[in-house]
Amino acid sequence: QVQLVQSGAEVKKPGASVRVSCKTSGYTFTGYYMHWVRQAPGQGLEWMGWINPNSGATNYAQKFQGRVTMTRDTSIATAYMELSSLRSDDTALYYCARAYVTGTLVFDYWGQGNLVTVSS
Amino acid sequence: DIQMTQSPSAMSASVGDRVTITCRASQGISNYLAWFQQKPGKVPKRLIYGTSSLQSGVPSRFSGSGSGTEFSLTISSLQPEDFATYYCLQHNTYPWTFGQGTKVEIK
Repeated sequence: QVQLVQSGAEVKKPGASVRVSCKTSGYTFTGYYMHWVRQAPGQGLEWMGWINPNSGATNYAQKFQGRVTMTRDTSIATAYMELSSLRSDDTALYYCARAYVTGTLVFDYWGQGNLVTVSS
Repeated sequence: DIQMTQSPSAMSASVGDRVTITCRASQGISNYLAWFQQKPGKVPKRLIYGTSSLQSGVPSRFSGSGSGTEFSLTISSLQPEDFATYYCLQHNTYPWTFGQGTKVEIK
């Protein structure tokens, strides 16, 4: 069955970087884009961007341009999201979620989420 | 960016009630609209995709409709397990944007 398994919680200081991983199984990793969505405590969902695991191409929300880097390792079917220059308002649950390249097959499977806490 | 305005932001309802949540897009998004349910401490779960297609395994009391800029999620008869927060997502135009959420609480 399809699974997206994310790495564990992280605590970082302001100004630091964090990299979270999303290990997939049960489907063809290169056949779906991997998106990242975050949710601050008690808040709504915010789309951050995607990576095409086949080509490595990325598309980031302008809000995160210059601070976010999405990469992948196809040999282990894993996607990564790195966020730099962390601020307190980056404290959130970070989810990976897959979406087909085109059409309406979006976010049918999600990772369990990575809590990233930014605190001095 | 396309703004997705959900209404209401919160509501109280009773078991058995018919509930409708609306999402209005600031510009046309064709049928690229999905609905998600999120319970506290849980991962969002897709209910509806392509405006009106029911996700496999989701009860038929959930339905979606709409076109262009106006979309709705209807729960025909609210059940105890439906008390949750619901989000719409437009994926027609980047950046993809979610509605702010509708919290459905027990009356």
